[in-house]
Amino acid sequence: DGGITQSPKYLFRKEGQNVTLSCEQNLNHDAMYWYRQDPGQGLRLIYYSQIVNDFQKGDIAEGYSVSREKKESFPLTVTSAQKNPTAFYLCASNPGAYNEQFFGPGTRLTVL
Amino acid sequence: AQSVTQLDSQAPVFEEAPVELRCNYSSSVSVYLFWYVQYPNQGLQLLLKYLSGSTLVESINGFEAEFNKSQTSFHLRKPSVHISDTAEYFCAVSETSGSARQLTFGSGTQLTVLP
Repeated sequence: DGGITQSPKYLFRKEGQNVTLSCEQNLNHDAMYWYRQDPGQGLRLIYYSQIVNDFQKGDIAEGYSVSREKKESFPLTVTSAQKNPTAFYLCASNPGAYNEQFFGPGTRLTVL
Repeated sequence: AQSVTQLDSQAPVFEEAPVELRCNYSSSVSVYLFWYVQYPNQGLQLLLKYLSGSTLVESINGFEAEFNKSQTSFHLRKPSVHISDTAEYFCAVSETSGSARQLTFGSGTQLTVLP
């Protein structure tokens, strides 16, 4: 089945530790995105990538980093510089037409 | 730059009653419009979209939305809701031109269907 997978579903980390969230897609989509979701605030764009080896900052990139070495994979690292990392993180991809995005199931990160 | 306003953060509705979730957008260029639904602890699923043509678009589970260019709105309606429609609904907009292919989301409306 084609789709987007995110792992793990739940992640717990101690304050000050870096953590990497996985996002993989087998839809052959060029563009991929990372969003952060907090209660009552909708989705906020962290980073996006339109092609392999290229990515751009979104609205809230501070404290996060990404890489795009393969078309299928777009991992997000939440660094210790992110002041409030506890949130629900969503990965999405876009086939290139009409800007419609397909979403993964999300990873809930809790920093203790 | 575009923006999306969802006027109601909560929408409690009794089962089998009609519902309207309001969405207004702001953009200086032509847009595509989307409604997504999110069930608890899950990702977003596309519910329906307006790209061009008929201003009334429908989903397979009875929802519909109408694009009103003069009022810059894209309200979501259902004539009779079910318990299973309980979820959070997000309106989103993107520009038809430009290379970034980004979506701008509203803050969401929690629809709770009461028995």
